[in-house]
Amino acid sequence: KQEVTQIPAALSVPEGENLVLNCSFTDSAIYNLQWFRQDPGKGLTSLLLIQSSQREQTSGRLNASLDKSSGRSTLYIAASQPGDSATYLCAVRQGTYKYIFGTGTRLKVLA
Amino acid sequence: KAGVTQTPRYLIKTRGQQVTLSCSPISGHRSVSWYQQTPGQGLQFLFEYFSETQRNKGNFPGRFSGRQFSNSRSEMNVSTLELGDSALYLCASSPGQRLNTEAFFGQGTRLTVV
Repeated sequence: KQEVTQIPAALSVPEGENLVLNCSFTDSAIYNLQWFRQDPGKGLTSLLLIQSSQREQTSGRLNASLDKSSGRSTLYIAASQPGDSATYLCAVRQGTYKYIFGTGTRLKVLA
Repeated sequence: KAGVTQTPRYLIKTRGQQVTLSCSPISGHRSVSWYQQTPGQGLQFLFEYFSETQRNKGNFPGRFSGRQFSNSRSEMNVSTLELGDSALYLCASSPGQRLNTEAFFGQGTRLTVV
C-alpha cells in the first residue's frame, strides 16, 4: 500500500531564504508526482507535475526533483516571500485514476 | 479558460439529511475525481468518473455516491449525513485518457454537519 510522507510538517523561515520541502513515498511504481499549494480554506493550486520518466521540473522560483528509485521528491523554493506562505502537498499517481496525498508541509515566510 | 467550478462553496446541514455537491470540470476534460479533506485524515479519494462511468472508488461507505453527466459535469451525493462528514470536498478535473495527465482542483465545498 502506497504511503506518502512529508517532512517537516511545519516550517517557518525569514523572507529571502531558499528552502527545500521533502516528500517520500514507499512504492516507486508511480506514473507521476504532482506538487500543490493550498491556502487556508481554499482548494489546491497545481505547482509542478513530474512524470515518472523525468528528473525535475522548474517553474519560476520553484524547482521540483524526483528520484523514483529512492522514493523521494523535493520542492525547492528560491528567495522565499511572505506570499509563499501556504500548505504544500505532494501527491503520487499509480496504476489507478487517483492521487495519494501526503499530509503536507505548512510553510510560513516571515517578513 | 475557466477553471474547475464547485458549487455551492459552503453548506450547513443537519444530521440525517442528504446533500448534493456539484462540480463543473475544465472545458474539454472528461475525468472528474472527488476527494474529502479533513484535519484528521487529510485528503482521501472518494471516486473518479470518466465519460459517465465510474472508474475507481475509494474506501467510503455506500452513503457516498456520485455520477457524471454527458457534459462531464459531476455531482456527488451524501445521504444520512453524520457529524464526521463535515469536511472540505474537493473536485479535480483532468483530460482523463491517460494516467500521466495533470489534475486541476476546484475551490471546494465546505460542508458542515450539525
